[in-house]
Amino acid sequence: EVQLVESGGGLVQPGGSLRLSCAASGFTFTIHSMNWVRRVPGKGLEWISYISSSSSTIYYADSVKGRFTVSRDNAKNSLYLQMNSLRAEDTAVYYCARGGRYGGSYFLDYWGQGMLVTVSS
Amino acid sequence: EIVLTQSPGTLSLSPGERATLSCRASQSVSSSYLAWYQQKPGQAPRLLIYGGSSRATGIPDRFSGSGSGTDFTLTISRLEPEDFAVYCCQQYGSSPPYSFGQGTKLEIK
Repeated sequence: EVQLVESGGGLVQPGGSLRLSCAASGFTFTIHSMNWVRRVPGKGLEWISYISSSSSTIYYADSVKGRFTVSRDNAKNSLYLQMNSLRAEDTAVYYCARGGRYGGSYFLDYWGQGMLVTVSS
Repeated sequence: EIVLTQSPGTLSLSPGERATLSCRASQSVSSSYLAWYQQKPGQAPRLLIYGGSSRATGIPDRFSGSGSGTDFTLTISRLEPEDFAVYCCQQYGSSPPYSFGQGTKLEIK
């Protein structure tokens, strides 16, 4: 069974830092791209980062570029999101999601349960 | 950047009725990169449709996707009580950012 389990969220002051982790199991982590997506309270989903299976390709949304860093450790089946210079508007539930592919189609096929990050003084 | 606009924002229907949800892109998107997700309160999003029209594993056949270019549609043929949720479209796999639509809330009338 595919499982993605986030950890590391919580309350942080504006300007502070936090590191989210996503532990993957039940599939061959090394062949899948991974993503971070967030849901701001009362708003829709926002894609924020992509990392390829080998870490050779990384993308960020403009809203987090320069402040957030995605990484992965394939030996540990783990995905990370280092969040620096946090702002109130970064308050959200953060999800890790697996990149899937079938034929020529691409999608996010498995998601973690989500981790709440609250940025407040 | 591709902007996805979903309509309506909220759709009020009764169980047994047909639901039609729209996702319009600001520029053409290959259907290969268009997916639909369902999200219920307190739960992670669930993949419903990928490739514009292919149902994900375990998704009932009352869910169907269609469209091409800039206009995509998710249809639920006969609503079941468990279908009342928020639905989002996403373009993923072509050019980042891999944007989502703002979502359509399907509520019980």
